[in-house]
Amino acid sequence: EVQLVESGGGLVQGGGSLRLSCAASGFTFSSYWMSWVRQAPGKGLEWVACIKEDGSEKYYVDSVKGRSTISRDNAKNSLYLQISSLRAEDTAVYYCARYCGGDCSADYWGQGTLVTVSS
Amino acid sequence: QSVLTQPPSVSGAPGQRVTVSCTGSSSNIGAGYDVHWYQQFPGTAPKLLIYKNNNRPSGVPDRFSGSKSGTSASLAITGLQAEDEADYYCQSYDNSLKQGVFGAGTKVTVL
Repeated sequence: EVQLVESGGGLVQGGGSLRLSCAASGFTFSSYWMSWVRQAPGKGLEWVACIKEDGSEKYYVDSVKGRSTISRDNAKNSLYLQISSLRAEDTAVYYCARYCGGDCSADYWGQGTLVTVSS
Repeated sequence: QSVLTQPPSVSGAPGQRVTVSCTGSSSNIGAGYDVHWYQQFPGTAPKLLIYKNNNRPSGVPDRFSGSKSGTSASLAITGLQAEDEADYYCQSYDNSLKQGVFGAGTKVTVL
């Protein structure tokens, strides 16, 4: 059974940073692109970042480009997202998803971790 | 503002057929990119409902179906049930933004 379990969310002051983690199991993690997708309270879904199977390619939505880093550790079956210079508009539930970030579907999602940025 | 436009809400009585539209443009759906649909209940993660326009993952009831034509796509729910009350999102790829894009979501209410 595919499982994605996020952690690392919480309350952080504006301008601060946070590192989110996602533990994957039930599939060959190193064979899939992975993404982070976020959902602001009461809003829709927004793709944030994606990373290729071997970590050699990374892409970001413009709103987080330059202040976020997506990474992975295939030996640990783990995905990460570091976000710095956090803003109020970064407040959202962050989902880890098995998703290429492009012309494909997100077939598995984690339960999400809430990031709240206080001003 | 989403590049894929969905109605904020649709409703129907149990047993009825409802459709959720997803309107894009020549840089996404109209360019031939696939459309995928997700179902989300309050407080839970999205779940893939339809992939590649009209395919159902294992376990998804056949009362859910998808279609695509031109710059638009639709999700149809036939024989609407109370348990189908949820938010539904369409998703595709946009070659101007060069990224996957989601619609703003449609709340389906069972009357």
